[in-house]
Amino acid sequence: DQQVKQNSPSLSVQEGRISILNCDYTNSMFDYFLWYKKYPAEGPTFLISISSIKDKNEDGRFTVFLNKSAKHLSLHIVPSQPGDSAVYFCAASADFGNEKLTFGTGTRLTIIP
Amino acid sequence: DADVTQTPRNRITKTGKRIMLECSQTKGHDRMYWYRQDPGLGLRLIYYSFDVKDINKGEISDGYSVSRQAQAKFSLSLESAIPNQTALYFCATSDHREGRDTEAFFGQGTRLTVV
Repeated sequence: DQQVKQNSPSLSVQEGRISILNCDYTNSMFDYFLWYKKYPAEGPTFLISISSIKDKNEDGRFTVFLNKSAKHLSLHIVPSQPGDSAVYFCAASADFGNEKLTFGTGTRLTIIP
Repeated sequence: DADVTQTPRNRITKTGKRIMLECSQTKGHDRMYWYRQDPGLGLRLIYYSFDVKDINKGEISDGYSVSRQAQAKFSLSLESAIPNQTALYFCATSDHREGRDTEAFFGQGTRLTVV
């Protein structure tokens, strides 16, 4: 039972345009959400997070939106750059602790120059 | 140098062999984790350790054991490797401050193939 779902295995976006990566979850107890980015042959690196008391969090070109009623979050990257090409994992936890993280299956983002 | 170092980076081993994956960190974090990643699946937690004397099973601990030799070292062992343990393994660390974890910092991964 996949509690965190990233339904798009891959996404291609033109350089300079907006990339939108989506994530859905089923566990209503989740209250903390993170995005990790992973390059080939490297470990995941933390990108941005949001707690359930917020519906938006921004960090430079990256914005995460949370819609609790729809159990949906999205990561927006504007403008997209070639260095953004990577696999993006959504993760969620209840009562945040890394030992409680549930990861999605990842979306491979390719930025087309 | 990487803050979280995994050795080896790649390993091919035969079914039934014992193998150890090692992880060391220079971040001074108290918490360490072992995850595995399989194609089409997200990262899944194998074991975690909050400090040297506190080791806990994760979601998929069967067939694995761990040892926290020091605050900076956390090793994962497969006592008798089987082909379905072929996967990408990640070690991670985090710090615990003011009652909350920081985000996890991951090593570069170990690609293990069991033939």
